[in-house]
Amino acid sequence: GQQLNQSPQSMFIQEGEDVSMNCTSSSIFNTWLWYKQDPGEGPVLLIALYKAGELTSNGRLTAQFGITRKDSFLNISASIPSDVGIYFCAGCTSGTYKYIFGTGTRLKVLA
Amino acid sequence: AAGVIQSPRHLIKEKRETATLKCYPIPRHDTVYWYQQGPGQDPQFLISFYEKMQSDKGSIPDRFSAQQFSDYHSELNMSSLELGDSALYFCASSPTPGGDEAFFGQGTRLTVV
Repeated sequence: GQQLNQSPQSMFIQEGEDVSMNCTSSSIFNTWLWYKQDPGEGPVLLIALYKAGELTSNGRLTAQFGITRKDSFLNISASIPSDVGIYFCAGCTSGTYKYIFGTGTRLKVLA
Repeated sequence: AAGVIQSPRHLIKEKRETATLKCYPIPRHDTVYWYQQGPGQDPQFLISFYEKMQSDKGSIPDRFSAQQFSDYHSELNMSSLELGDSALYFCASSPTPGGDEAFFGQGTRLTVV
């Protein structure tokens, strides 16, 4: 089945640093969504991407839809302690009615 | 703004019992998705509905069934519960099916003892 691999799996960073994470697949997706999830809570939508090459920002977050449509990137600038959590990418393929989730990147910010 | 509402938030059931989880989508969202998330795992797609019809199906056990009602709320029915069914169950809704923004509820934590 379809798989979305996220890297890195986890990362420790210092407050104020920039963070980059990516999501890759062997399949083509026509929509990419990025979520943040806190323990025991539902995923919160951060950014939605709909076109190959699209670059979208939401505050300190910037995400890009890869040209090949098989990958996506999320950058967080000037990280703060509340950025701690698990970041998931999710992709949807044309003609389907489901989102496949990536394996997640666990972010820990050191004050 | 209104969000996706799930009930109950927590549920404890014994093995072989039945559980019903409810999901109320964001107003004017006609598509609902159900996901199961085990400890330390990513959310796994179970099933989705668009305009009260099943639109896609994932790794949903035969013991589980779901439906979407005329007011667009959805229910996930789980029978013959097993210990391995203990997980967080999330519902998400989107304004259109397949490829639009999807917003998640707070989830139902099911514990089977």
